[in-house]
Amino acid sequence: QSVLTQPPSVSAAPGQKVTISCSGSSSNIGNNYVSWYQQLPGTAPKLLIYDNNKRPSGIPDRFSGSKSGTSATLGITGLQTGDEADYYCGTWDSSLSAHVVFGGGTKLTVL
Amino acid sequence: QVQLQESGPGLVKPSQTLSLTCTVSGGSISSGSYYWSWIRQPAGKGLEWIGRIYTSGSTNYNPSLKSRVTISVDTSKNQFSLKLSSVTAADTAVYYCARARPTCWFDPWGQGTLVTVSS
Repeated sequence: QSVLTQPPSVSAAPGQKVTISCSGSSSNIGNNYVSWYQQLPGTAPKLLIYDNNKRPSGIPDRFSGSKSGTSATLGITGLQTGDEADYYCGTWDSSLSAHVVFGGGTKLTVL
Repeated sequence: QVQLQESGPGLVKPSQTLSLTCTVSGGSISSGSYYWSWIRQPAGKGLEWIGRIYTSGSTNYNPSLKSRVTISVDTSKNQFSLKLSSVTAADTAVYYCARARPTCWFDPWGQGTLVTVSS
């Protein structure tokens, strides 16, 4: 059971928009920055969003991130078949046993 | 640009110690405010953070693994390493090394290395 909760799967048609949620608590998302990763089959995760809503160079603006309270959201617009992947959120957990935590991952299917 | 590459045995016997090394190229492991991290992923499952070492040498570990994990750095070789003791089949996973910023975002990642625990 992951500390951060993500839906196991989401799906949408090409060209459409999808959002992936990441729910946590005050000890993690509520008081720390969130990052998002895309993992294509058989490859290492790739940074998509950092510090809640910043995109690294080379990441298209179709990808966006936001945070409100103890939840964060990844948005993807103009879906492409190449976006089919697993998506993970991550953040620091400031509880007594401070450590990095990840969501369980969300499988995006582009129908 | 900085690149990371994991190396080490792909097969470890139960109860033994898993040892992996991450070699950093394209930049010095000693420069900048970075945390050098290990993350693993069992087949078909999600990401699990193992721990990190700062450029100063200070470490943080996942509390669920803390009693078995040691992360160290060798600045002369531009490498950092992971040791996980008393392994069981549950430690079978792809192990990634990654560079992290203080606000805990990971980039870049190594390609990952599969470690299987089996007799």
